[in-house]
Amino acid sequence: EVQLVESGGGLIPPGGSLRLSCAASGFSFSTYGMSWVRQAPGKGLEWVSYISTSSFTIYYADFVRGRFTISRDNAKNSLYLQMNSLRVEDSAIYYCAKEGLRHFDNWGQGTLVTVSS
Amino acid sequence: QSVLTQPASVSGSPGQSITISCTGTSSDVGSYNLVSWYQQHPGKAPKLIIYEGFKRPSGVSNRFSGSKSGNAASLTISGLQAEDEADYFCCSYGGVSPRYVFATGTKVTVL
Repeated sequence: EVQLVESGGGLIPPGGSLRLSCAASGFSFSTYGMSWVRQAPGKGLEWVSYISTSSFTIYYADFVRGRFTISRDNAKNSLYLQMNSLRVEDSAIYYCAKEGLRHFDNWGQGTLVTVSS
Repeated sequence: QSVLTQPASVSGSPGQSITISCTGTSSDVGSYNLVSWYQQHPGKAPKLIIYEGFKRPSGVSNRFSGSKSGNAASLTISGLQAEDEADYFCCSYGGVSPRYVFATGTKVTVL
C-alpha cells in the first residue's frame, strides 16, 4: 500500500523558514516524479513544485520560485520542501503527491503551515 | 497562475445524475488530454477519481465518468449517493510553467 506521510509544518512568523518532509513507502520511490500541492484553509488546490525521479528536472509555481526549494533523497525514500521568506499567503496544508502520467495518483494527509506574527 | 473554472456548487437527489463542468484555455485543457479529477471529503486528502480525461483508477466506482471537448472537461456522477457528497476539483496538465492548473472546486450536495 502506498503511504505518504508529511511532517514539518507549524506556526512560523512572516519572513521565516520551514522545511517540510514527506516519507514514502509501499512503492518504488526512486521511479516516480513527485510534487507538492497546497490548499489554503477553505480554498482550492494549488500545485507548488515538481521534481523528477533523478532530481534532474525541477519546476516551481511562479508564486514560490526563488523562495522554495524542492529536493529528494531516493536512498531515504523522502521528499522535501525548503520554504524561505515565508508570507502570510503561504499558509496552507501542504500535500506531497506521487505522480502518475500527468496526474496525482496518491496523496499524503498533509501538513499544516501557518504563517502569522 | 491560471485557474480553471468550475461551478461553486452542484446538488442532486439520491439516484440522480449530476455533471460538473471545468473550463480552461487552449494552453491547458485544450492542449492536452490530461485532465484529472479529485474527490475530497472534509478534513481528508484529495483522491484521484478520473485521469487522462476519462480513465478511472482501480477501485473507483463506474458511476464516475469524465469527458473533454475543446477547452472544457466534465465529470458526471450517476446514481448519486450520500457518500458522493464532497468537494470535486478538476486539474489539467499545463506543460512547464505552471506544470498543473487546478480549478477552485465544486461542492456537491446530495439532497
